[in-house]
Amino acid sequence: AQSVAQPEDQVNVAEGNPLTVKCTYSVSGNPYLFWYVQYPNRGLQFLLKYITGDNLVKGSYGFEAEFNKSQTSFHLKKPSALVSDSALYFCAVRASGYSTLTFGKGTMLLVSP
Amino acid sequence: DAGVIQSPRHEVTEMGQEVTLRCKPISGHDYLFWYRQTMMRGLELLIYFNNNVPIDDSGMPEDRFSAKMPNASFSTLKIQPSEPRDSAVYFCASRLAGVEEQYFGPGTRLTVT
Repeated sequence: AQSVAQPEDQVNVAEGNPLTVKCTYSVSGNPYLFWYVQYPNRGLQFLLKYITGDNLVKGSYGFEAEFNKSQTSFHLKKPSALVSDSALYFCAVRASGYSTLTFGKGTMLLVSP
Repeated sequence: DAGVIQSPRHEVTEMGQEVTLRCKPISGHDYLFWYRQTMMRGLELLIYFNNNVPIDDSGMPEDRFSAKMPNASFSTLKIQPSEPRDSAVYFCASRLAGVEEQYFGPGTRLTVT
């Protein structure tokens, strides 16, 4: 079985400040972890993934995520938020041996000017 | 590449009517996924295909839902008869075998009155 939790429905941050969107997961075996972003009236877009290797993963638009095995977390981060980062962010997990992703419920990120 | 194409983008229908949603995956992609997104339940996987063959349809809510993939470039999701609780955004996504990222279409917003 595989599951993912995004404990915050919404995150508010001022432009220029660092942002963190939280994600924890539960899988049997090694996890493959992903972040996707959804802008209004659009489909989900891939941001970054962790498969193996370095725990800090860099992705599109200046985002990065840190894989923490002991805390079973994969938080999304960005050093300096932009108003244009405002969107719905989804964390997803796939356990090795599965072909499908399980998505979290999503976290709305609102960046104020 | 045009990306994943879905049609129609919006569909409004009356309860009891048949609804057919269409998807054209990215050329060469081996996997195709159908998802449903609602505020209450988030993003749910309905069914996925590998090389045009349905692999897992355990997410299909009930027998009113059916999906087909007659060839590598086309898939349909049919709801017959439709009910108001089927109102949601339906996404199609595809990916290449051996590559983790899924590419999502823009979605079809279905409203059943």
